Amino acid sequence: EPEVTQTPSHQVTQMGQEVILRCVPISNHLYFYWYRQILGQKVEFLVSFYNNEISEKSEIFDDQFSVERPDGSNFTLKIRSTKLEDSAMYFCASFSGRNTGELFFGEGSRLTVL
Amino acid sequence: RKEVEQDPGPFNVPEGATVAFNCTYSNSASQSFFWYRQDCRKEPKLLMSVYSSGNEDGRFTAQLNRASQYISLLIRDSKLSDSATYLCVVNLADSGYALNFGKGTSLLVTP
Repeated sequence: EPEVTQTPSHQVTQMGQEVILRCVPISNHLYFYWYRQILGQKVEFLVSFYNNEISEKSEIFDDQFSVERPDGSNFTLKIRSTKLEDSAMYFCASFSGRNTGELFFGEGSRLTVL
Repeated sequence: RKEVEQDPGPFNVPEGATVAFNCTYSNSASQSFFWYRQDCRKEPKLLMSVYSSGNEDGRFTAQLNRASQYISLLIRDSKLSDSATYLCVVNLADSGYALNFGKGTSLLVTP
């Protein structure tokens, strides 16, 4: 069964460092997303990406965040200068665009900022 | 602010019990509704979509009341494997399919 894959599964970084989280969405999907979940809290929308550009972003997705689809297969989330409060599980998701509306999530990348 | 509210639980029920979860959403323009399931420290996975007419998938029944902005999930004959957090999820037709998640209701099914 096709799946969304994410790397790394866990990253520990120092405050102020740049972090890149990588995702390979399902190959024929058209919409790509990043969500985050701080421990014990709800899953929060960060950004959606369609047709090689951001289609929507939340207030969480400020100038410290950026996304790219550099090679038509990978979908990356970059955090330029990490803060302690960026510690969370980051989920990538993709969607085919069909009527079901089902988003397929990767297993997540756990980011710990020290 | 567009919110999705759920009773956080936890709901502790014995095997075989019937359990119901409720959810309300604040944005009357919401167009699509889902229940996702999340196991501990895992990714969310779609359990079922929720349609206006109500829909059933085996032991699971979902209902939507647009007038009250209320969504429900009923689980019959609970199994141990149903233990998880159930996420009420709403999106907006004009949002590029971005999903708005509730915080989830925790279910523990005991032997």
